Amino acid sequence: AQKITQTQPGMFVQEKEAVTLDCTYDTSDPSYGLFWYKQPSSGEMIFLIYQGSYDQQNATEGRYSLNFQKARKSANLVISASQLGDSAMYFCAMREGLRGTALIFGKGTTLSVSS
Amino acid sequence: NAGVTQTPKFRILKIGQSMTLQCTQDMNHNYMYWYRQDPGMGLKLIYYSVGAGITDKGEVPNGYNVSRSTTEDFPLRLELAAPSQTSVYFCASSTQGARYNEQFFGPGTRLTVL
Repeated sequence: AQKITQTQPGMFVQEKEAVTLDCTYDTSDPSYGLFWYKQPSSGEMIFLIYQGSYDQQNATEGRYSLNFQKARKSANLVISASQLGDSAMYFCAMREGLRGTALIFGKGTTLSVSS
Repeated sequence: NAGVTQTPKFRILKIGQSMTLQCTQDMNHNYMYWYRQDPGMGLKLIYYSVGAGITDKGEVPNGYNVSRSTTEDFPLRLELAAPSQTSVYFCASSTQGARYNEQFFGPGTRLTVL
């Protein structure tokens, strides 16, 4: 079974609108961390936001927020006020365990922002 | 700080050839990783290291070898290249002391095996 599932291969949004990118995860470990990375067409991986399994509040970083619903095992990324530069591939990833190391990635969602 | 650097950026290999992908980080991170990204897919872990002299296999280690003789360097060796190893390879590093323990990625190496 996939540990990270991103069901939206592609999403389209207009500038200044908000968009939600879906991510569900599967783990039996009570301690884990959830990450979102952005990969623009240039190929680099850019860290956006992090949510720990014990965090009480949803994470926010500027225009990015994470809608964390622990019981549903979902960690959706919300981008507010989309910009043309947000067009990229977005990956959800999970690290299992407090001292976990490597990340498990989903297949990604391609976001296209139009003017 | 240069962060995580990888060389080369691009490489074309013939089937059966060998090569080493270089990775260096200057952040004094103890953890280092190698991932591969196949077209339209997420990243998959090849090998990782929790410190100098310590390495372990990830999800897709077959056809690869690694070594970690220093904190800074974590080279990935491909022996007997096969077309299935055509991919983009990312090196990453992290430290337990960081706020989120997030991984910092290098720019990637695009490898084609013909």
